[in-house]
Amino acid sequence: KQEVTQIPAALSVPEGENLVLNCSFTDSAIYNLQWFRQDPGKGLTSLLLIQSSQREQTSGRLNASLDKSSGRSTLYIAASQPGDSATYLCAVQGGGADGLTFGKGTHLIIQP
Amino acid sequence: NAGVMQNPRHLVRRRGQEARLRCSPMKGHSHVYWYRQLPEEGLKFMVYLQKENIIDESGMPKERFSAEFPKEGPSILRIQQVVRGDSAAYFCASSPLSRADEQFFGPGTRLTVL
Repeated sequence: KQEVTQIPAALSVPEGENLVLNCSFTDSAIYNLQWFRQDPGKGLTSLLLIQSSQREQTSGRLNASLDKSSGRSTLYIAASQPGDSATYLCAVQGGGADGLTFGKGTHLIIQP
Repeated sequence: NAGVMQNPRHLVRRRGQEARLRCSPMKGHSHVYWYRQLPEEGLKFMVYLQKENIIDESGMPKERFSAEFPKEGPSILRIQQVVRGDSAAYFCASSPLSRADEQFFGPGTRLTVL
């Protein structure tokens, strides 16, 4: 059974810092991995999708990497801003499951 | 191209009533997934449907919950005789061709059971 773990569970940093969020998964037979953002009481905003054949994806200040063989992904946020404060979710598709398997998220606070 | 639509966005029910949640996938998408997010917990897969077929319902509680995706119209997640523990956000996602495709999420329905 696929399991996804996100570390750290919570993170608070001053504005302007670069930071890394980590995600690991137990079954490497995935189709893709996706990073989402969720604001309190809101829905999911897709940030980046990495197909299993890819190593990384970039969008603006965000960069996500995927090492499928070791079951790891990182989300790198450059020059963090208070507006980046949210919960960041990692989800994998495949690995024996039909739906996405989500981690519990990293709750990020960027201090002004 | 409109995104995935869910309604209602908020639903309040009393214990014992029925809740019906609707999901209209993106145009051209024939695969629908339902997820549940309980308070302070992660998102959990419930059920995967294609038109007129349930492909995988391994994440759905065995009793009181059912889902359908008819040939015409939206997908419906139905919860009978709701209990307080059913209070959660229910998200629907759709994908175009297969379970390997990217899933696009709707805004969710927040169910509160009084």
